[in-house]
Amino acid sequence: GAVVSQHPSWVICKSGTSVKIECRSLDFQATTMFWYRQFPKQSLMLMATSNEGSKATYEQGVEKDKFLINHASLTLSTLTVTSAHPEDSSFYICSARPPSGRNQETQYFGPGTRLLVL
Amino acid sequence: QKEVEQDPGPLSVPEGAIVSLNCTYSNSAFQYFMWYRQYSRKGPELLMYTYSSGNKEDGRFTAQVDKSSKYISLFIRDSQPSDSATYLCAMRRNQAGTALIFGKGTTLSVSS
Repeated sequence: GAVVSQHPSWVICKSGTSVKIECRSLDFQATTMFWYRQFPKQSLMLMATSNEGSKATYEQGVEKDKFLINHASLTLSTLTVTSAHPEDSSFYICSARPPSGRNQETQYFGPGTRLLVL
Repeated sequence: QKEVEQDPGPLSVPEGAIVSLNCTYSNSAFQYFMWYRQYSRKGPELLMYTYSSGNKEDGRFTAQVDKSSKYISLFIRDSQPSDSATYLCAMRRNQAGTALIFGKGTTLSVSS
């Protein structure tokens, strides 16, 4: 299957700092990437849809000024959690949609980034 | 009513059992249906992908979609301890750019 990587895999930071998470599609070009958040024993909650070369589309209730998304190339999207607070502690997972002809209707997920804000 | 309903379990079975996992949904516009497996502290891994109604088999896994009942299933035959994970159903409409809608996930434990 397609490979999507995330970096870092886990991060601990102090309240008020910013954290950047990278998502890379390693063996295909992804015009669309997605960012999810998952709390313990909960399902994935879509935060935003990231399209290469354009502004991200945020889901209702997700602050775009707090969760900055940059999809600078066809293989890289970044999520920056600005001025992180303890309530932002969660498991952040990205996914990428492969190009047409390769299960284009589904998504391949990264391994996730665990964020702990102290 | 949530768009996608999935019993979170947990579901515990002995090794070798047949496992049935299910989701119901309310939006008749959903056309693409997937099952993902997620191990603890890992990202979801695509298991099965089905378009519209019907069955699809891949090794020990069979996915079924019944659009008339708005009901999808994943069957696991000869279950193994390595199948212990959380299984998430996901679906989306037939419209470019729309996101996947996930169920809450069912936690499965297979004991040896």
